[in-house]
Amino acid sequence: AQSVSQHNHHVILSEAASLELGCNYSYGGTVNLFWYVQYPGQHLQLLLKYFSGDPLVKGIKGFEAEFIKSKFSFNLRKPSVQWSDTAEYFCAVNSPWGGSQGNLIFGKGTKLSVKP
Amino acid sequence: IAGITQAPTSQILAAGRRMTLRCTQDMRHNAMYWYRQDLGLGLRLIHYSNTAGTTGKGEVPDGYSVSRANTDDFPLTLASAVPSQTSVYFCASRPGLITGELFFGEGSRLTVL
Repeated sequence: AQSVSQHNHHVILSEAASLELGCNYSYGGTVNLFWYVQYPGQHLQLLLKYFSGDPLVKGIKGFEAEFIKSKFSFNLRKPSVQWSDTAEYFCAVNSPWGGSQGNLIFGKGTKLSVKP
Repeated sequence: IAGITQAPTSQILAAGRRMTLRCTQDMRHNAMYWYRQDLGLGLRLIHYSNTAGTTGKGEVPDGYSVSRANTDDFPLTLASAVPSQTSVYFCASRPGLITGELFFGEGSRLTVL
């Protein structure tokens, strides 16, 4: 079965610091990869997604992620975080094939706290 | 504004009671999903429906049932609520299975006492 691992449970940064959140997945075939963000008290919103092509994906609000197939990783990065980036971040993966019908599997999430 | 509507937003329920969480989308998406979100566990899939008339079990289906009579509605029913079902429930949809992001509703916070 597929699984998604997010390495950090809680990350605390000061404003302007650089961010990298780790995500590894277990499925070895073709995958679609996503990062979602959940601001306090809100629902999940898509930050960025990778389906194919350039492994460096740019999303909203200055976020980007790099797909490294050999490492089964899809790490999220931002060069300089802001207080408004305080949120929980979820990595998700789905396989277009297989008995699970392509359902998204989510990691447990990483809470990011940015100190002003 | 097109999107997903969930109701109720919040509910406190006595154990043993029956409860239905409603979910309606107006985007004509084929696939719909119910997730529960618990602290430290992320989102876990309860049930899904790839198209109207079909449903399937996710990772944590026990104690829950769903139906998909039409494209727009995907209610989640707790037949006899238990305290371990205290959670935030999110309904989601997407146009198809192969590609496409999930669109989420605002969530329903359920407390079972």
